[in-house]
Amino acid sequence: GQSLEQPSEVTAVEGAIVQINCTYQTSGFYGLSWYQQHDGGAPTFLSYNALDGLEETGRFSSFLSRSDSYGYLLLQELQMKDSASYFCAALNTGGFKTIFGAGTRLFVKA
Amino acid sequence: DAGVTQSPTHLIKTRGQQVTLRCSPKSGHDTVSWYQQALGQGPQFIFQYYEEEERQRGNFPDRFSGHQFPNYSSELNVNALLLGDSALYLCASSVLDMATNEKLFFGSGTQLSVL
Repeated sequence: GQSLEQPSEVTAVEGAIVQINCTYQTSGFYGLSWYQQHDGGAPTFLSYNALDGLEETGRFSSFLSRSDSYGYLLLQELQMKDSASYFCAALNTGGFKTIFGAGTRLFVKA
Repeated sequence: DAGVTQSPTHLIKTRGQQVTLRCSPKSGHDTVSWYQQALGQGPQFIFQYYEEEERQRGNFPDRFSGHQFPNYSSELNVNALLLGDSALYLCASSVLDMATNEKLFFGSGTQLSVL
């Protein structure tokens, strides 16, 4: 089976940097993705790591360590619009299915 | 280029009824996955369709079934509805290629309420 663990809530101030951690237990792990979901909206893809290391996409970066079964999403220069839920998701080699964590609710304060 | 479209957007049913939800994938995508998302939770994988066949299935009972058509669109059917089936049902499309399949495109979902 697969499971992903991430904090339920994180609060940060506008302009700050926040890191959302994710640990996973899975067989057939292929890569780790991150998705953002605003209230009432659909999840949207943010970033993906198949290899160890850091991937940078604008204000967002994602990191993966396969040996530690750990990854994180780093959000820089936080804006109020970044208030949303963030999900880590594991892609499985066994059939290409993507399994999601329970999500981290990010609150950005002025 | 239309993204993933789902219909209906909202649906109210009573216990024991049956429901059919529909999804049209993003242009060029051949794989459709269905997810159930309860309020405040992450999307739970129901199943995935490719080439009109169910390829992968999550931990959902047989009351949940699906279909994929030759044009890659898909339906999710739920029989004998329970109160616990109330949730947002999300359809996600992708291309069955490990080099690109990590990126799922989601529709806006169907909000199902079972009374």
